Amino acid sequence: DAGVIQSPRHEVTEMGQEVTLRCKPISGHNSLFWYRQTMMRGLELLIYFNNNVPIDDSGMPEDRFSAKMPNASFSTLKIQPSEPRDSAVYFCASSSEPHLAGAVTGELFFGEGSRLTVL
Amino acid sequence: SQQGEEDPQALSIQEGENATMNCSYKTSINNLQWYRQNSGRGLVHLILIRSNEREKHSGRLRVTLDTSKKSSSLLITASRAADTASYFCATDHTGGFKTIFGAGTRLFVKA
Repeated sequence: DAGVIQSPRHEVTEMGQEVTLRCKPISGHNSLFWYRQTMMRGLELLIYFNNNVPIDDSGMPEDRFSAKMPNASFSTLKIQPSEPRDSAVYFCASSSEPHLAGAVTGELFFGEGSRLTVL
Repeated sequence: SQQGEEDPQALSIQEGENATMNCSYKTSINNLQWYRQNSGRGLVHLILIRSNEREKHSGRLRVTLDTSKKSSSLLITASRAADTASYFCATDHTGGFKTIFGAGTRLFVKA
């Protein structure tokens, strides 16, 4: 299995531009997560999907952030307009176990991340 | 807020020594996981321990869980230079559905 695939690996953009990050989860996994990692705040959960449905987006920082999962094999995280404080490494992770209230969750498989720099 | 908090924040040891990292959390959990992150890479799962387990082994790794103290430890025995990485604990708390990561321990193993 190729694992979780993220693109682009690196993105440098200017403030105000739209940024789209992409993720292909492991085939057969039904839970997908977007995390953001910074030195100051560590790993923050932004949003997660179960069976393509957004379950919890309370970690999405602002309306400038949006995420979609149109099918089981693809998800996007979009920032529009981008700001310098959005600079971070964004990780996508998938899991074969449901992450629902009361369920016992399991191992997450992470992609290599997308390093975003907003100038 | 973060569920798990690791200590120490950083640890430097000689190759061959054992490394112990600790994790504390605040609310009841279903399970606790440890992950490793090499510089510039994604996180890699190491081991999962469920709330009804007290100890688990995987190769040179030993994880303990004390639910009464809300703490866990990760022991890496006979460390190698290749073990140099950041190590994170992650908790899935009872009644919730999120995996929350701590701030991590940076381990440096000197050859």
